[in-house]
Amino acid sequence: QSVLTQPPSVSAAPGQRVTISCSGSSSNIGNNYVSWYQQLPTTSPKLLVYDSNMRPSGIPDRFSGSKSGTSATLDIAGLQTGDEADYYCGTWDTSLNGYVFGIGTKVTVL
Amino acid sequence: EVQLVESGGALVQPGGSLRLSCAASGFTFSPYAMHWVRQAPGKGLEYVSTIWSTGEYTFYASSVKGRFTISRDNSKSMLYLQMGSLRVEDTAIYYCARNTGSYLSPGDSWGQGTLVTVSS
Repeated sequence: QSVLTQPPSVSAAPGQRVTISCSGSSSNIGNNYVSWYQQLPTTSPKLLVYDSNMRPSGIPDRFSGSKSGTSATLDIAGLQTGDEADYYCGTWDTSLNGYVFGIGTKVTVL
Repeated sequence: EVQLVESGGALVQPGGSLRLSCAASGFTFSPYAMHWVRQAPGKGLEYVSTIWSTGEYTFYASSVKGRFTISRDNSKSMLYLQMGSLRVEDTAIYYCARNTGSYLSPGDSWGQGTLVTVSS
């Protein structure tokens, strides 16, 4: 189990939008920045969003992050078959004095 | 090109020790905090440890605290993870990652990972 709650899976048809939620508390999301990672099968994780809503260079603007209170969201617009992957949220937890990841959400393109 | 290359993974018996290394290249290593993250077979990402740029401060997940030690050599652009009292549940791919963002967060560069298997 994790202190960050994500849905185990979400799915949508190509071209549609999916939203992945990440719920935490005041000791983590509520007072720290959130990052989002994509992990394709058998590959290393890839950073999609940092500082809650910033994209590294090279990440398409189809991927967007936001944060409100103790929850964060990753939106994927214009879903593509290549987006099928596991997605993780992460943030620093000041109570645990360490970083925490969500359990991951598997995105399936129907 | 930014590159992180982990090494040192192996099969080790429970109770044993191992040292992982992460060689950084393509960027100036010293200003960056660095992280270790692991992933057990078929499972999600799990935070292991963080070290500040200077090495002055270190942080650990509760599952490894007291058994693992993170360190770095900025003169060699190297990150290390000394692992002791290894348990079966430490079996995982271990990734090193460069910090990105306004605070401590594994970020935009990850290595390919090195596999640690703890088994008798």
